[in-house]
Amino acid sequence: DARVTQTPRDKVTEMGQEVTMRCQPILGHNTVFWYRQTMMQGLELLAYFRNRAPLDDSGMPKDRFSAEMPDATLATLKIQPSEPRDSAVYFCASQEALGYEQFFGPGTRLTVL
Amino acid sequence: GQQVMQIPQYQHVQEGEDFTTYCNSSTTLSNIQWYKQRPGGHPVFLIQLVKSGEVKKQKRLTFQFGEAKKNSSLHITATQTTDVGTYFCAGYDYKLSFGAGTTVTVRA
Repeated sequence: DARVTQTPRDKVTEMGQEVTMRCQPILGHNTVFWYRQTMMQGLELLAYFRNRAPLDDSGMPKDRFSAEMPDATLATLKIQPSEPRDSAVYFCASQEALGYEQFFGPGTRLTVL
Repeated sequence: GQQVMQIPQYQHVQEGEDFTTYCNSSTTLSNIQWYKQRPGGHPVFLIQLVKSGEVKKQKRLTFQFGEAKKNSSLHITATQTTDVGTYFCAGYDYKLSFGAGTTVTVRA
């Protein structure tokens, strides 16, 4: 049963700390997305990769957020330094190809105190 | 830039009744996808519509893509408690843009 996995599932940290979230896309999927979901803003696209290359990161605050795909089985989203307004659920999703359905991971619930 | 608007934001439905949620795009879409997110869960793909005027059914759910490929609707008949959740449309132009979602609650 192929699925997207994300770690950690929950993260509580203090303001100013570095946070790294990890995602393992479904094997064979060449497109990976990072979303942030909050009650106020809904589901926001932060960045996405195709064949490990960043295609669009316009939704991501560049000064503190960074996203990478070190290899085809791992995507990371890093926040440094974290702020309380970063508190949200962060979803990773993978897609076999652009235009196809997206498979979402279970999300990482981040709380920054 | 591309914007996808979804209405209503909230839908409170009596069990057994029908309802419709609507999705409108500021630009013509290549396709539109619908997702459902249960409370505490993650979005799960329901369906994709590609052709102008396309209508697809999944049991009690009917999805429609407008003739101009700028709007879509999801109609649910005989609502059940299992229909609770947030329904998102996502329009694909050069990238996928999600609407704000319609959160559905059901009164038994």
